[in-house]
Amino acid sequence: QSALTQPASVSGSPGQSISISCTGTSSDVGGYNFVSWYQQHPGKAPKLMIYDVSNRPSGVSNRFSGSKSGNTASLTISGLQAEDEADYYCSSYRDSSTLVVFGGGTKLTVL
Amino acid sequence: EVQLVESGGGLVQPGGSLRLSCAASGFTFSNYWMHWVRQTPGKGLVWVSRIYSDGRSTNYADSVRGRFTISRDNARNTLYLQMNSLRAEDTAVYYCARLYCSTTSCYYAFDIWGQGTMVTVSS
Repeated sequence: QSALTQPASVSGSPGQSISISCTGTSSDVGGYNFVSWYQQHPGKAPKLMIYDVSNRPSGVSNRFSGSKSGNTASLTISGLQAEDEADYYCSSYRDSSTLVVFGGGTKLTVL
Repeated sequence: EVQLVESGGGLVQPGGSLRLSCAASGFTFSNYWMHWVRQTPGKGLVWVSRIYSDGRSTNYADSVRGRFTISRDNARNTLYLQMNSLRAEDTAVYYCARLYCSTTSCYYAFDIWGQGTMVTVSS
């Protein structure tokens, strides 16, 4: 059981928008703006897509955006493309001995 | 090219030990906090440990504290994870990851990951 809760799967058609939720507690997602999102293709290492809730590192498409409300963060992907099909993980700082917690991952299928 | 390359994984019996290495290149390794993150086959990511840039401070997940030791050799641009008293539940792909820093700040996010090294604990 992962520390942060994500839906197991989401799907969408090319060109559509989808959102992936990530629910934590006031000790992590709700208490700090230190939420990040990662994309992972099969057999590959995770890739940073969003940091500090809504910031994109250089080189990441502006089709990816992040937001947060209370204890739930969200990743939105607009204009879905076939190459967006991957697993997506959220992460947050946590004010405990476990500094960083992850969600269980969401498999995105582009129909 | 900025790169992290892990090595040292393999098959080990329960109760055994293993030392993982992570060789860094393409950036000033000594300037960055480094982390280990593991991923159980087919499952999610789990944070394992962190070490400050100068190696003076470390942190561990509850599940590995007292059994794993993170260290670094900045002269060799290498990060290590010494794993003792290994258990079946430690079986995973182990990634080293760099804390993301801009020119002005650092963030609780990992911008560079290695390719991972597989650790299997089984008799």
